[in-house]
Amino acid sequence: QKEVEQNSGPLSVPEGAIASLNCTYSDRGSQSFFWYRQYSGKSPELIMFIYSNGDKEDGRFTAQLNKASQYVSLLIRDSQPSDSATYLCAVSRAQTGANNLFFGTGTRLTVIP
Amino acid sequence: GAGVSQSPSNKVTEKGKDVELRCDPISGHTALYWYRQSLGQGLEFLIYFQGNSAPDKSGLPSDRFSAERTGGSVSTLTIQRTQQEDSAVYLCASSLGGRVGEQYFGPGTRLTVT
Repeated sequence: QKEVEQNSGPLSVPEGAIASLNCTYSDRGSQSFFWYRQYSGKSPELIMFIYSNGDKEDGRFTAQLNKASQYVSLLIRDSQPSDSATYLCAVSRAQTGANNLFFGTGTRLTVIP
Repeated sequence: GAGVSQSPSNKVTEKGKDVELRCDPISGHTALYWYRQSLGQGLEFLIYFQGNSAPDKSGLPSDRFSAERTGGSVSTLTIQRTQQEDSAVYLCASSLGGRVGEQYFGPGTRLTVT
């Protein structure tokens, strides 16, 4: 079982719609959750992080965390063509002394004008 | 301020040759990571350095891969006897020690083995 799983997509939404990206993780001890955006040919960049159950909003982005169900999601409201990218979910486990951040394989989002 | 830098940006090498890839992290970031990303694939963790601790090498795919970090700053990833399957973009990232999820990535080195 993979540490972090995402639907690879592609996910296509029309401009102005809400894009919903989902991620599940296997380790119940996971503590911190991150969303990275990667444009084609570019490096990943951090756009959101969430540590507690519930919702966290930042502009058009909302991260949602449900530890009981072991899933984290990213909602993008009023989607724009510039949001077209691959979105990587990353989960930090509670371990020290070694790398403890695990990335999903990403969901490719296309926003259609 | 300056971000993570990597060099070279592109490297073409012949099969069997050794290559060195360099990463210069953000000043003050004690954690440094190397990843590999093949075309259309996700990030593959390679190695993690945190301060003066022994590195986590659990992601290195074979003993042809090695990395070092000198003085807690610049890191070099070395691939010996390159193979065609080593062709990928090699990404370096750094973070403050306690914020492993908040990584800042460099632009990557695109390695092509012919």
